Amino acid sequence: EAGVAQSPRYKIIEKRQSVAFWCNPISGHATLYWYQQILGQGPKLLIQFQNNGVVDDSQLPKDRFSAERLKGVDSTLKIQPAKLEDSAVYLCASSFFNGNEQFFGPGTRLTVL
Amino acid sequence: DQQVKQNSPSLSVQEGRISILNCDYTNSMFDYFLWYKKYPAEGPTFLISISSIKDKNEDGRFTVFLNKSAKHLSLHIVPSQPGDSAVYFCAASTWGAAGGTSYGKLTFGQGTILTVHP
Repeated sequence: EAGVAQSPRYKIIEKRQSVAFWCNPISGHATLYWYQQILGQGPKLLIQFQNNGVVDDSQLPKDRFSAERLKGVDSTLKIQPAKLEDSAVYLCASSFFNGNEQFFGPGTRLTVL
Repeated sequence: DQQVKQNSPSLSVQEGRISILNCDYTNSMFDYFLWYKKYPAEGPTFLISISSIKDKNEDGRFTVFLNKSAKHLSLHIVPSQPGDSAVYFCAASTWGAAGGTSYGKLTFGQGTILTVHP
């Protein structure tokens, strides 16, 4: 069974630039999550989708971050414009509907200079 | 407001000995707890979980203990192996909470770096 796929794996940009991350969840998983993991901290949930609807985006900085999950499968997370403090690993995870075990992708390491 | 805390940033043990990783939480609504293991440049992988209706769950070398009155859980690894060296995250959710809009939402601790020496 293929795992959660993410791209790119690494990205370096300058502040005020834009960046987008892509995630393809495990086939059949209705729930998709985006997490931000800053160095030395645990992952923090940014947004949760159930199929293509948003369940929780309470910790998403909506002035600069946006996410979509068209057709309830793939998802993209965008940052525009990026700030230095956005440097982190962005993790995508998926689970079955109402499943409690989340499966994580390898993450995208973003460096903002 | 950190609802899940892992107060030990790192732990070093000898191969064959027991590793004990600790986690404390403050939110009494949490009813499901998980441990994830993370290797460098990889995403976290699920290790073991426990529901709040239990106080112990065992899977091979891994055992998780839950003390609800103390809001504390621990992960025991016996015997420890060099391949267990990784970052371990404790996570909690309100999985069983009725009407929750954040169904399945995980709140993670900061992680503990475990090093097992040969």
